[in-house]
Amino acid sequence: AQTVTQSQPEMSVQEAETVTLSCTYDTSESDYYLFWYKQPPSRQMILVIRQEAYKQQNATENRFSVNFQKAAKSFSLKISDSQLGDAAMYFCAYRSEFGNEKLTFGTGTRLTIIP
Amino acid sequence: DTGVSQNPRHKITKRGQNVTFRCDPISEHNRLYWYRQTLGQGPEFLTYFQNEAQLEKSRLLSDRFSAERPKGSFSTLEIQRTEQGDSAMYLCASSLLRADYGYTFGSGTRLTVV
Repeated sequence: AQTVTQSQPEMSVQEAETVTLSCTYDTSESDYYLFWYKQPPSRQMILVIRQEAYKQQNATENRFSVNFQKAAKSFSLKISDSQLGDAAMYFCAYRSEFGNEKLTFGTGTRLTIIP
Repeated sequence: DTGVSQNPRHKITKRGQNVTFRCDPISEHNRLYWYRQTLGQGPEFLTYFQNEAQLEKSRLLSDRFSAERPKGSFSTLEIQRTEQGDSAMYLCASSLLRADYGYTFGSGTRLTVV
């Protein structure tokens, strides 16, 4: 079974600065997808960014980018120019290429933005 | 289309009572998922449907839990004889047949069993 580990329960960053959230995972599969989801206090999970394991190029979405290290099974999220609206719980998630496509989530990192 | 809708948003019930939650997915989405999220944890998979067929149930889903998706549209999750350990946020999500781009989640139903 796959597992996802987020070792930083809480992180804080000064507004406009850059922060990196860590995620590691364990799998024996070679094809899979990785996601970062944001869960603001309103509780609705929002997809931030996704990465296909077969792609070597790191995904980027505006201020959000990932550092995907397949051999190390690491998938960190970098948020540049942090904004107050970035404050939320961030969850890393794994999905197999095959099967029911369920997501396996980490325990989350609570990100606080300091004005 | 306003996204995935879940009702009610909050539910407080006494231990031993039955509760039912409803999820209305995005209309063109074939797949519908239920997850449970307890405080301080990430969501955990409970079950999923492809159209009206329930294709997998997690071992977390005890016999007191049942889910349906009649006609492949909305879904209901029922918990019978609720226990305090059932207190959690119940999240519904939907996706197209290939969820390469992830799911769309609803806002969840927070259940408190007293």
